[in-house]
Amino acid sequence: DGGITQSPKYLFRKEGQNVTLSCEQNLNHDAMYWYRQDPGQGLRLIYYSQIVNDFQKGDIAEGYSVSREKKESFPLTVTSAQKNPTAFYLCASHGETANQPQHFGDGTRLSIL
Amino acid sequence: AQSVTQLDSQVPVFEEAPVELRCNYSSSVSVYLFWYVQYPNQGLQLLLKYLSGSTLVKGINGFEAEFNKSQTSFHLRKPSVHISDTAEYFCAVSESNTGNQFYFGTGTSLTVIP
Repeated sequence: DGGITQSPKYLFRKEGQNVTLSCEQNLNHDAMYWYRQDPGQGLRLIYYSQIVNDFQKGDIAEGYSVSREKKESFPLTVTSAQKNPTAFYLCASHGETANQPQHFGDGTRLSIL
Repeated sequence: AQSVTQLDSQVPVFEEAPVELRCNYSSSVSVYLFWYVQYPNQGLQLLLKYLSGSTLVKGINGFEAEFNKSQTSFHLRKPSVHISDTAEYFCAVSESNTGNQFYFGTGTSLTVIP
């Protein structure tokens, strides 16, 4: 079945450490997204990519970086510059037209040691 | 820019009672509307969507929603809730003229009380 796979499910970061969250999709979607979810704040857009080798900052991109070298993959790096990284991170993808829904992975929960 | 408002952050309801979760959006341009459900520590799953045509749309798990263009609303309803409906519900809007931009509400936490 087609879908989005996020790994790992749980991740712990030490102070000063960069960590990378994986997101892979086999839906053949061009557009991919990263969201951060904090309790009571809904979804906040970190980065999105509409095509390979191109991506744009979302509302809260500071302290994060992404790459889009392959259509299927859109990894997110949480850098040491992100001072409050503890959150639930969701990856999503989307087809070509606006009338298609976004599809989501099962998320990665990042915590600070 | 589009904004999506979910008027109730928390909704407690007794088992087998009806429920309505409210969603309003701001833009009057042509929109597509979606409701998602999120169970703890999981991603968002699509419940239903409105693209065009009949304003009453039916989704999974017995949920339905009604699109009201004049009131720019897309409220979600279920006539009789189950314990398993306890989850977070998100309303989302995309605009036909802005490609892949999605706008999400802040979510409504539905708690079904036995």
